[in-house]
Amino acid sequence: AQRVTQPEKLLSVFKGAPVELKCNYSYSGSPELFWYVQYSRQRLQLLLRHISRESIKGFTADLNKGETSFHLKKPFAQEEDSAMYYCALLQGAQKLVFGQGTRLTINP
Amino acid sequence: GAVVSQHPSWVICKSGTSVKIECRSLDFQATTMFWYRQFPKQSLMLMATSNEGSKATYEQGVEKDKFLINHASLTLSTLTVTSAHPEDSSFYICSAPGLVDTGELFFGEGSRLTVL
Repeated sequence: AQRVTQPEKLLSVFKGAPVELKCNYSYSGSPELFWYVQYSRQRLQLLLRHISRESIKGFTADLNKGETSFHLKKPFAQEEDSAMYYCALLQGAQKLVFGQGTRLTINP
Repeated sequence: GAVVSQHPSWVICKSGTSVKIECRSLDFQATTMFWYRQFPKQSLMLMATSNEGSKATYEQGVEKDKFLINHASLTLSTLTVTSAHPEDSSFYICSAPGLVDTGELFFGEGSRLTVL
């Protein structure tokens, strides 16, 4: 079964500290993975996708097929990073399967 | 960028009534739209795929007669919750894909349904 797991519902770190949001997936094939973010009172939006290997707002995520993981990382957290983060797996051409989400809180 | 808009953003109705939620792609055409349901503090659960000009494809466990989906034009999909009950109270979110095969979805702001 295709599944995305985010083991942490809540994550709290201090400003300036490194952040890592965990994501593991289960997929029989070559996965395409994404991180979506939802800031307070805003709609869900794409943060980054693994195929583009880009860094957005200082965040990066590396696909590790051996560990079936796609953890989201940022070396120095900022207060504006506080949000809800969802890891997602592309199923077929357009359908996304979402993880449970992690609420990240950056403390001043 | 692509904008998806939902209406209404918040609706309260009595048990037994039907409620329609609209999802519009404002500056692009969407032959496909996705409807999600989100319970408090939980993830988004895909309910159905709305296809322009044809029947919607429902996910396992989603009652198609309960959640009627119509995609009559390239910019509008509607979700009608029929004979709503308190357990149907939830946050309903629609999305539409951008460029084909990029996997990016553009999300609406969501519609909160409360059934009394």
